[in-house]
Amino acid sequence: EVQLVESGGGLVQPGGSLRLSCAASGFTFSSYWMSWVRQAPGKGLEWVANIKQDGSEKYYVDSVKGRFTISRDNAKNSLYLQMNSLRAEDTAVYYCASLLGIAAAGYFDYWGQGTLVTVSS
Amino acid sequence: DIQMTQSPSSLSASVGDRVTITCRASQSIGSHLNWYQQKPGKAPKLLIYGASNLLTGVPSRFSGRASGTDFTLIISSLQAEDFATYYCQQSYNTPLTFGPGTKVDVK
Repeated sequence: EVQLVESGGGLVQPGGSLRLSCAASGFTFSSYWMSWVRQAPGKGLEWVANIKQDGSEKYYVDSVKGRFTISRDNAKNSLYLQMNSLRAEDTAVYYCASLLGIAAAGYFDYWGQGTLVTVSS
Repeated sequence: DIQMTQSPSSLSASVGDRVTITCRASQSIGSHLNWYQQKPGKAPKLLIYGASNLLTGVPSRFSGRASGTDFTLIISSLQAEDFATYYCQQSYNTPLTFGPGTKVDVK
């Protein structure tokens, strides 16, 4: 059974940092592009970032470029999102998801349960 | 960036109703359109990929169609477990973008 389990969310002050983790199991993690998708409270879904199987390619939505960094450790079957210079508008549930499709453009076939990040003073 | 719109934003329906949700892309995306279902407090679930391909295990009452830049999700006979919010998503290029969602609730 495929499982994606996020952790690391919490309350952080504006300008602060947080590192999210996603532990994967039940599939060959190293064979998949992986993504982070977020959802602000009561709002829709927003793609945040993608990373290639070997970590050599990364893509970000404009609003997080230069502040967020996606990374992975295939030996640990884990995906990460380092979030710096956090803003109130980054408040959301962050989902880890596996990506299928053509290179960086695809659809999200498995999702984690999400971890809530709240940016507030 | 490719903008995705959905209509209606919400609808009320009864069990057994036929439900149609439309998604429109701001430019041609071929068949690179996917549909997700999300229930309150839960992660989204993929229903349809490539505009019309039903994910294994998804009931056959769900179907997807494409016509140019317009895409349709059809639920042929709404069941109690189908009350949820539905999102479309383009997988033509990055940034990957979602529609704003269509909430299906009980009439």
